Amino acid sequence: GNSVTQMEGPVTLSEEAFLTINCTYTATGYPSLFWYVQYPGEGLQLLLKATKADDKGSNKGFEATYRKETTSFHLEKGSVQVSDSAVYFCALSPFSFGGSQGNLIFGKGTKLSVKP
Amino acid sequence: DAGITQSPRHKVTETGTPVTLRCHQTENHRYMYWYRQDPGHGLRLIHYSYGVKDTDKGEVSDGYSVSRSKTEDFLLTLESATSSQTSVYFCAIMGGSRGSPGAYEQYFGPGTRLTVT
Repeated sequence: GNSVTQMEGPVTLSEEAFLTINCTYTATGYPSLFWYVQYPGEGLQLLLKATKADDKGSNKGFEATYRKETTSFHLEKGSVQVSDSAVYFCALSPFSFGGSQGNLIFGKGTKLSVKP
Repeated sequence: DAGITQSPRHKVTETGTPVTLRCHQTENHRYMYWYRQDPGHGLRLIHYSYGVKDTDKGEVSDGYSVSRSKTEDFLLTLESATSSQTSVYFCAIMGGSRGSPGAYEQYFGPGTRLTVT
C-alpha cells in the first residue's frame, strides 16, 4: 500500500542553521509528492510539490527533490528563521489509472522549533 | 486563499449526541475531503466527495457520514459522538492544476476542534 514515513521530532535549531527533514515513501505507480506546513492554530498550507522523478520543488527558501531511486523527498532549507517554527508534513498523492480520488496520504508530521 | 470556511471552529459535545460539521467553499471545486488530525497520526482521510451526491469512504470512516447536496457545501456528521472522535477536523478541496490527477494540490480550511466529553 501507500505510506509516508518522516523523521520524528521535535527538531530544535538555532536561527540560521541548516534544516533537513527526512521523508521516504512507499507507493505503487507514480505518486506526486508534497510538503505542507502548519503554523500554530492554523490549517495546512502547501509549501512545495514535485510531480515526477528528479523534479525539485522550492518555495520560501525550502527545497525538496523527488528521488525515485531512494523513494525519498527530503525537505531542506539553508538558513532557518524563527518564523519557520511550525509542523511540517510530507504527503503523497497516489496516481491510479481510471481516475483518482485525489486524496493525500500524510506522514505523521515533524515539529520544528527555531530559537533566536 | 482557496475560499474554504469551516463551522463551527470549536465545539464541545457530550458522548452519544449527534454532531454536524460544515465545510463551505466558494470556488466551485469538484473534489472535497474531510480529514482528522491526531497527535502521532498526521492527517487521515475520513470521507471524500467527487461531486454533488457523490461520496466515498476513506481510511477512518467508521462512525462518520457525509452529505453533499450542493457543490459548495460538504457536511460531516458524527451520528453518535464518542470520546475517540475528539480531534481536529480539516476540510480540503482539490485544486485544478492540469496534468496527472495525482498532481492536484489540496487546500485546507482552518479546522474545527471537536471535544467529546
